[in-house]
Amino acid sequence: NAGVTQTPKFQVLKTGQSMTLQCAQDMNHNSMYWYRQDPGMGLRLIYYSASEGTTDKGEVPNGYNVSRLNKREFSLRLESAAPSQTSVYFCASSELGTVYEQYFGPGTRLTVT
Amino acid sequence: GENVEQHPSTLSVQEGDSAVIKCTYSDSASNYFPWYKQELGKRPQLIIDIRSNVGEKKDQRIAVTLNKTAKHFSLHITETQPEDSAVYFCAASRGDSSYKLIFGSGTRLLVRP
Repeated sequence: NAGVTQTPKFQVLKTGQSMTLQCAQDMNHNSMYWYRQDPGMGLRLIYYSASEGTTDKGEVPNGYNVSRLNKREFSLRLESAAPSQTSVYFCASSELGTVYEQYFGPGTRLTVT
Repeated sequence: GENVEQHPSTLSVQEGDSAVIKCTYSDSASNYFPWYKQELGKRPQLIIDIRSNVGEKKDQRIAVTLNKTAKHFSLHITETQPEDSAVYFCAASRGDSSYKLIFGSGTRLLVRP
């Protein structure tokens, strides 16, 4: 099992460009999450999907959109990238709810110039 | 809003000594408290977790204690080894949602050989 996979690993964007970060899991988990990690600030939840067909905002959703394509895949889209979105993005998955272990992907390092 | 405070931000110990990291949370309805370890350039991985109906949990050299009255919980690592060097994050579930974790800002632990 690959666990949680993310593409791309690295990306550089210019301000105003758009892109989609891809995430997939092969653990048959119901819940999936997108976090961003900034130095000294821990992990902050952007969006989550409790189960296939549902998505909800987390702590810092502004500037992002998500799509739960199917049970395996959960994508994060930046419509118009800003320098403030420079960060490391982690996707995670778990059984239904946070009281189960969240398994993280390897991360995407995004730089917006 | 709800938050989790984590201390210290950096901790340096001699190999074989113990390390203690402390977190306080503000949401009295939080009921799940995981700890994650993140090595440099890697993904966060769960090392131990505790639920609100338990006061202490141990797993070999790692233990977590929870004081619900004071709203704080701690990670204890005994007989530290160089491979314990990493950033450690605490987290607490949000009482208004079983899908949201609030993370602390992290503790960088250095174990000196």
